[in-house]
Amino acid sequence: AQSVTQLGSHVSVSEGALVLLRCNYSSSVPPYLFWYVQYPNQGLQLLLKYTSAATLVKGINGFEAEFKKSETSFHLTKPSAHMSDAAEYFCAVSEFRTSGSRLTFGEGTQLTVNP
Amino acid sequence: DADVTQTPRNRITKTGKRIMLECSQTKGHDRMYWYRQDPGLGLRLIYYSFDVKDINKGEISDGYSVSRQAQAKFSLSLESAIPNQTALYFCATSDLPSGGASGELFFGEGSRLTVL
Repeated sequence: AQSVTQLGSHVSVSEGALVLLRCNYSSSVPPYLFWYVQYPNQGLQLLLKYTSAATLVKGINGFEAEFKKSETSFHLTKPSAHMSDAAEYFCAVSEFRTSGSRLTFGEGTQLTVNP
Repeated sequence: DADVTQTPRNRITKTGKRIMLECSQTKGHDRMYWYRQDPGLGLRLIYYSFDVKDINKGEISDGYSVSRQAQAKFSLSLESAIPNQTALYFCATSDLPSGGASGELFFGEGSRLTVL
């Protein structure tokens, strides 16, 4: 069965500092991996996804994530945090099934950006 | 206008009442989903539908039912609401996967339900 663990329910950084949000996954088959962002009072929107092409995936708003099979990780990074990055971030995993795939989400990490 | 629309956006109800949350989409996707979000638990899948004639239980379907009235409409019902169903509910859609890749999910803005 597929699962996702996000390390740290709350992360706080200063504006301009590196953002690192951690995600580890468990999957019985090669996974597809996603990061979603949720701004206050909004639904989730896709930041980036890994679907077995390049292991370094670039997303919107300057975020990127690297798929590391040996570490079963898919950590999200951004070199310099902006105030507008404050939001909740969710990692998700999917396994392709003949009957159709479904996403399993992690618990979420709330990112706070301090001025 | 939003591609995935949920109504109502906020609802307060009492224990034992029947509640329906509605979702409609203009993206033309066949696949629709209902998720529940609770603090510290992420999103958990309640039900999903891959086409009008296909309904499947997710990981937390007990106490819920769904109806897929048309390709564009997918409703979630709580037959007899209880306080631990207080949560933020999301509808989402996706297109068919191609080449084995999972389709991206497109979310509505959520329906906040409070059961007293």
